Amino acid sequence: QKEVEQNSGPLSVPEGAIASLNCTYSDRGSQSFFWYRQYSGKSPELIMFIYSNGDKEDGRFTAQLNKASQYVSLLIRDSQPSDSATYLCAVNKPANAGNNRKLIWGLGTSLAVNP
Amino acid sequence: DAGVTQSPTHLIKTRGQHVTLRCSPISGHKSVSWYQQVLGQGPQFIFQYYEKEERGRGNFPDRFSARQFPNYSSELNVNALLLGDSALYLCASSPGQNSNQPQHFGDGTRLSIL
Repeated sequence: QKEVEQNSGPLSVPEGAIASLNCTYSDRGSQSFFWYRQYSGKSPELIMFIYSNGDKEDGRFTAQLNKASQYVSLLIRDSQPSDSATYLCAVNKPANAGNNRKLIWGLGTSLAVNP
Repeated sequence: DAGVTQSPTHLIKTRGQHVTLRCSPISGHKSVSWYQQVLGQGPQFIFQYYEKEERGRGNFPDRFSARQFPNYSSELNVNALLLGDSALYLCASSPGQNSNQPQHFGDGTRLSIL
C-alpha cells in the first residue's frame, strides 16, 4: 500500500460543475494535510491545508478531512477551465516515526475542466 | 515580498559532471527543503535544512548534498551526474522545521543530463 494514494485521473468535469478530488493515506499519526495545484511545467502552488476533522472552506475550494477513514478530499465549486491542472495531496509524517521523510506526496490527480 | 527564488531556471549538463542549484527562501522563513520531481510523479523529498543544520534526508545517494547559509539560503549539489538525475528540482521554504507548516515552492530548476 502506498503511503499517500490518489486517483491519477484524468478527471474530466464540465465548466461550472463541482470537481471532487480524493486522497487516502496510511499513517494514522499524520496530522497535517495539504493540497497543491501544479500546472504543466510549473512548480506546485499551495491551495489549501487542513489539520482538523471536518470541512475547511476558502473561496471556491473546500478541503474535507476524515481521520477515522484516513482520507482527505478537495472540492472545487464552479470549476473553471483555468482550474485544469494536476492536484497533489501531501501528508506530513510524524517526526518521531524513525523516518526522515517529513512530507509524503501522492502522484497527483489530473483535472480537466471542459468549457 | 518576494517568494522563494531558485537559480538557474534551466540547466543542461553531461554525465559525470557536477551541478550546484541555489535557493533563497521567503523572508523570515528559516527552513528550506529540496525535492526532485520527475515527469508524472509527485515530488520526492531530498533534504530539509533548518538553522543551517540538516534535519531530514530522503532516500538519495551520497552524490546529493546540500547546505544552508547564515542568511537561510541554500545550495543543492549533485556530483557524478547520471541520466536519471534529469528532473525538476524544487526548493520549498517554511517558517520553521515542523512539517505541519505549509511549504511554499520556488519555480524550480529544470536539469537535463545529456
